[in-house]
Amino acid sequence: QKEVEQDPGPLSVPEGAIVSLNCTYSNSAFQYFMWYRQYSRKGPELLMYTYSSGNKEDGRFTAQVDKSSKYISLFIRDSQPSDSATYLCAMTRGSSNTGKLIFGQGTTLQVKP
Amino acid sequence: EPEVTQTPSHQVTQMGQEVILRCVPISNHLYFYWYRQILGQKVEFLVSFYNNEISEKSEIFDDQFSVERPDGSNFTLKIRSTKLEDSAMYFCASLLRQGRGSGANVLTFGAGSRLTVL
Repeated sequence: QKEVEQDPGPLSVPEGAIVSLNCTYSNSAFQYFMWYRQYSRKGPELLMYTYSSGNKEDGRFTAQVDKSSKYISLFIRDSQPSDSATYLCAMTRGSSNTGKLIFGQGTTLQVKP
Repeated sequence: EPEVTQTPSHQVTQMGQEVILRCVPISNHLYFYWYRQILGQKVEFLVSFYNNEISEKSEIFDDQFSVERPDGSNFTLKIRSTKLEDSAMYFCASLLRQGRGSGANVLTFGAGSRLTVL
């Protein structure tokens, strides 16, 4: 079983739609959960960061972590064409090396005007 | 907004040649990383560096790879004898601090250096 699994898509939605992106993981030691956005041939850019379980909201973005199910989600409300990118989930264990991220495959999102 | 700067943006080299990729991390950050992304694949951890030494490395980071922080601002990744399979985007990243609290564990990536080995 892969440590982090993410459906690569592609996912195509109309402008204004609610987008749901998800990852599952196998290692219960993961405590920090991130969502990065990556445009073509660019570096990952941090969108959301959550410690342990719970929800976090930032504007149109909501991140959810369910540690009991080993499942994390990113919701994008009122999606815009500028949201078209690849979304990477990433996670890390405890506090010993929190910069060592384990990434998902990435989901490619296209928002059509 | 502080950023991580990487050079070159693209390098083409012949198999067997040495390559040095350069990074300037965010100035007050203490932890430094290299990641790799082969086209169409996941972003993968290569190595972490703290207090002038490697703190952790992956299986990918074999004897052909080395990292160095030659001065107070640069962080380099050297590949001694490149192979075709080293072709990838290489991302440098830096982190202010670990643990709990504001600003901890937020890894900032550079735009990447694309390495093409022919």
